[in-house]
Amino acid sequence: DAKTTQPPSMDCAEGRAANLPCNHSTISGNEYVYWYRQIHSQGPQYIIHGLKNNETNEMASLIITEDRKSSTLILPHATLRDTAVYYCIDFYNTDKLIFGTGTRLQVFP
Amino acid sequence: DGGITQSPKYLFRKEGQNVTLSCEQNLNHDAMYWYRQDPGQGLRLIYYSQIVNDFQKGDIAEGYSVSREKKESFPLTVTSAQKNPTAFYLCASRDQGWDLDEQYFGPGTRLTVT
Repeated sequence: DAKTTQPPSMDCAEGRAANLPCNHSTISGNEYVYWYRQIHSQGPQYIIHGLKNNETNEMASLIITEDRKSSTLILPHATLRDTAVYYCIDFYNTDKLIFGTGTRLQVFP
Repeated sequence: DGGITQSPKYLFRKEGQNVTLSCEQNLNHDAMYWYRQDPGQGLRLIYYSQIVNDFQKGDIAEGYSVSREKKESFPLTVTSAQKNPTAFYLCASRDQGWDLDEQYFGPGTRLTVT
């Protein structure tokens, strides 16, 4: 079973920031927070990961709370191509990623 | 281009037939994975292989078989024993760097069994 919880769906206007929350109630000290996304009928795509500090790359920013019990993925200027299912995962050096059902983000014009 | 290829993209079979899904990677990754995805659901792990000639069952291995004779290839056979084989099947390989542990996914094969 997935260890993280996410809202099932969210909407965002094109050009606005999309903020996707995730709860990591059972995250352990050495587990990283990973975010993937899956565009319809494609394989999941890695977005970003972090341990304690906030992270930013060309795709998104990741904010992790100080107690690490929650994180937020930020897409600063959402486009229609960002419409996808977004998964957050707690992971460290185990054999497998465990995907939950994710958040379905719909970006509208 | 480096990456993972899965073929075919769409596959149709009659009930009672075994079918093999192809997965090839040229990323030189040791570990490879097979997932199954049903509509509106997350990914569930079928089998994984950490190294050539070795593989382990995932959460839903019943009715499936795999082989790992080459580093580049990890084919999945859906046998007639799999009760609900119609699904979207995803193959992945794993890149374990010093500060990153990332899975790369193929484009998937959508299997329909009637």
